[in-house]
Amino acid sequence: GAVVSQHPSWVICKSGTSVKIECRSLDFQATTMFWYRQFPKQSLMLMATSNEGSKATYEQGVEKDKFLINHASLTLSTLTVTSAHPEDSSFYICSTLRAGADTQYFGPGTRLTVL
Amino acid sequence: GESVGLHLPTLSVQEGDNSIINCAYSNSASDYFIWYKQESGKGPQFIIDIRSNMDKRQGQRVTVLLNKTVKHLSLQIAATQPGDSAVYFCAEWDSSYKLIFGSGTRLLVRP
Repeated sequence: GAVVSQHPSWVICKSGTSVKIECRSLDFQATTMFWYRQFPKQSLMLMATSNEGSKATYEQGVEKDKFLINHASLTLSTLTVTSAHPEDSSFYICSTLRAGADTQYFGPGTRLTVL
Repeated sequence: GESVGLHLPTLSVQEGDNSIINCAYSNSASDYFIWYKQESGKGPQFIIDIRSNMDKRQGQRVTVLLNKTVKHLSLQIAATQPGDSAVYFCAEWDSSYKLIFGSGTRLLVRP
């Protein structure tokens, strides 16, 4: 399987601040990365699809101006939660997709707590 | 709409027994299915996948069965071990090449 890292693994921030989460594909160049959000005891919900060198595609109901995604290189995608509020507290997980393959490999996740 | 769901939210099994986790899907056009294991506080881990042109696929201690007639998917774990305790999700590729996750089943292994 692929190796995907996320940083930080957890973060606590004050309401109104912005938080950046990094997702790195360590063993292959990923033209496509995905960002998911998972609330406690719930399933993963796709937030957006991040394509290298182009704008991310957001799922319905996900605010693109609040969840900024940048995929500037083939091994790094970042998710910035802007003006975070307590309801943004969640487990954020990224995944990578190798070109021509179907299987997504997931990062270890980032636990965001907004006070 | 497209959805993938699970019949049992929690499954408790004795160590050494076999486990069967079920999943129903609604999109008959789906042609690729994946089972993931998620331990507490971690990201999902790929277990096994199956394409719609197959009805069974085996891995190490795991078997996935696909019944396209009733749109049902199952994951069988042989000789369940304490390390198998986790939440298991089935997922399917939709027509837009997005993964749609089921609601998950928690597997508890009793010593």
